[in-house]
Amino acid sequence: QTVVTQEPSSSVSPGGTVILTCGLSSGSVSPNFYPSWYQQTPGQAPRTLIYSTDSRSSGVPDRFSGSILGSKAALTITGAQADDECDYYCVLYMGGGIWVFGGGTKLTVL
Amino acid sequence: EVQLVESGGGLVEPGGSLRLSCAASGFAFNYYNMNWVRQAPGRGLEWVSSISSSGSYIYYAESVKGRFTISRDNAKSSLFLQMNSLRAEDAAVYYCARDLALDNRPWGQGTQVTVSS
Repeated sequence: QTVVTQEPSSSVSPGGTVILTCGLSSGSVSPNFYPSWYQQTPGQAPRTLIYSTDSRSSGVPDRFSGSILGSKAALTITGAQADDECDYYCVLYMGGGIWVFGGGTKLTVL
Repeated sequence: EVQLVESGGGLVEPGGSLRLSCAASGFAFNYYNMNWVRQAPGRGLEWVSSISSSGSYIYYAESVKGRFTISRDNAKSSLFLQMNSLRAEDAAVYYCARDLALDNRPWGQGTQVTVSS
């Protein structure tokens, strides 16, 4: 079974730029996987950031952007802020009606 | 304003059953594929099941196939998840969410399912 991979953790300095990635244990991610990105703070419901690779959800600041970088989907955060410190999840469409989430990345802003 | 409100969670013994509901408002429910996503304590998000807008196409994660049944009532803008033969590993917060390929904000606040004797 294909696993969706994310960095378990990442860090960024305030004001800096960080790229979080979403890959496959086998193969490359393409727009056909409809990669989406969610942000979650402890105890809260997920918040949609990016859908279908690079479309920003309504109300999400433009310092969050999605793309395909090489063989992975990527979430780029520019001008990182303290309240960006939380968990980030990607999800990929595997075909046949099946979606798989990545294990999530815990982002630290320090 | 789009709203998704989950309900029906609670404490159930292993082997028991629960039926979760999700009341939708503020959008054309009958146009959207819908999903259940869960999150076990201290763990990541896990896609559980999805149902097409008409209810004609239904899909499940392997971990719940044969035990859970997703359904919807478009006339009442409601989504359901019948959970049978519950196991300890099914304990989680269950969220309903619109189509994961679209702008599906916001998610509901979820409903807690605890499986314990």
